[in-house]
Amino acid sequence: GQNIDQPTEMTATEGAIVQINCTYQTSGFNGLFWYQQHAGEAPTFLSYNVLDGLEEKGRFSSFLSRSKGYSYLLLKELQMKDSASYLCAVLDSNYQLIWGAGTKLIIKP
Amino acid sequence: GAVVSQHPSWVICKSGTSVKIECRSLDFQATTMFWYRQFPKQSLMLMATSNEGSKATYEQGVEKDKFLINHASLTLSTLTVTSAHPEDSSFYICSANIPGTGRGSYEQYFGPGTRLTVT
Repeated sequence: GQNIDQPTEMTATEGAIVQINCTYQTSGFNGLFWYQQHAGEAPTFLSYNVLDGLEEKGRFSSFLSRSKGYSYLLLKELQMKDSASYLCAVLDSNYQLIWGAGTKLIIKP
Repeated sequence: GAVVSQHPSWVICKSGTSVKIECRSLDFQATTMFWYRQFPKQSLMLMATSNEGSKATYEQGVEKDKFLINHASLTLSTLTVTSAHPEDSSFYICSANIPGTGRGSYEQYFGPGTRLTVT
């Protein structure tokens, strides 16, 4: 079967750095997305990785290792508004998005 | 660009009635739209994939006669929850991707969601 694992919940301090991991086992791979979802709102796109390596975009970076079936989202200089759920999703061989359960990130002052 | 709207944003209905939710792509034509359901503290669950001009493809376990999907135009898909029951109360979200090539054709742009409460 297809499986995406993320930690259920993480807590970090304002101004700090946090890394949210995602491991996947899917039938084929055509890219990995990270989305941010605030409570009661729809997900918004953060990043897309299809090649190995680190993609940096402001305070957010996303890393991919296809051989390890592993990705992480790195958030720097955390702000209170970063409190949200972070969803990892993999595009499988049929170009269907397989969603992880999401990681709820709690930022404390 | 790539804005998706949903209407209504929230709705309360009585058990046994039907509710229609609209999903529109405002600035692009979406040949494919997706309908998701999300229960509190859970991840997105894909209900069906809606293709313009053809029947929707439902995920396993989703009742097609209960959740009617119509994708009559390139910018509008509707989800009708028929004979709603309290257990249908959930957050319903639609999304669409932009036809073409590359990441953009697979990135999903989400509507703001519709919160359905069945009493």
